[in-house]
Amino acid sequence: KNQVEQSPQSLIILEGKNCTLQCNYTVSPFSNLRWYKQDTGRGPVSLTIMTFSENTKSNGRYTATLDADTKQSSLHITASQLSDSASYICVVSQRGNNRLAFGKGNQVVVIP
Amino acid sequence: NAGVTQTPKFQVLKTGQSMTLQCAQDMNHNSMYWYRQDPGMGLRLIYYSASEGTTDKGEVPNGYNVSRLNKREFSLRLESAAPSQTSVYFCASSGTGGWGNQPQHFGDGTRLSIL
Repeated sequence: KNQVEQSPQSLIILEGKNCTLQCNYTVSPFSNLRWYKQDTGRGPVSLTIMTFSENTKSNGRYTATLDADTKQSSLHITASQLSDSASYICVVSQRGNNRLAFGKGNQVVVIP
Repeated sequence: NAGVTQTPKFQVLKTGQSMTLQCAQDMNHNSMYWYRQDPGMGLRLIYYSASEGTTDKGEVPNGYNVSRLNKREFSLRLESAAPSQTSVYFCASSGTGGWGNQPQHFGDGTRLSIL
């Protein structure tokens, strides 16, 4: 069973527009949630980490939110650029257990 | 600023052949990991090494072996390659503080095709 579900699987957006990616998880007990960006042909790179007590965190044009009660997170991309074309992977860490649960990723394509 | 370096970047093997994927990190990290990434699936952990001298199985260890040669290097070996092992393999490393508390730093992957 997949403990981390991401939606939409893929989306195409116009340069300059905003978009929001969703991550729902069932991992329990929760430790933290991290968003990674993976460019084509490259390894994933960490964008931001959300802990239980955090609701919102920004990294430039990327803003992550977390609702630990509903077990949902989102990643909002503002004023998208061509360089935002990538897969965005949601990774949830389980407290007390050395394991990470990976989502399948949101594939974002930004077109001019 | 090398980070995590994986070699080779591409490899084609025939069924039954063996090979070793190499990984080295220069960030003085204690923990290292091997993942595979297949289309439509999330990253899956093959093996990990929490510290030098230790290795443990992950989610999909069958058909693979690993060696933590020293603190910097962690290799993955396919003893008898099978077509089901066609994948992109990523090595990663992280500092101490729990798996999720520190970001994992990934290499750029080895693209392996088995015919």
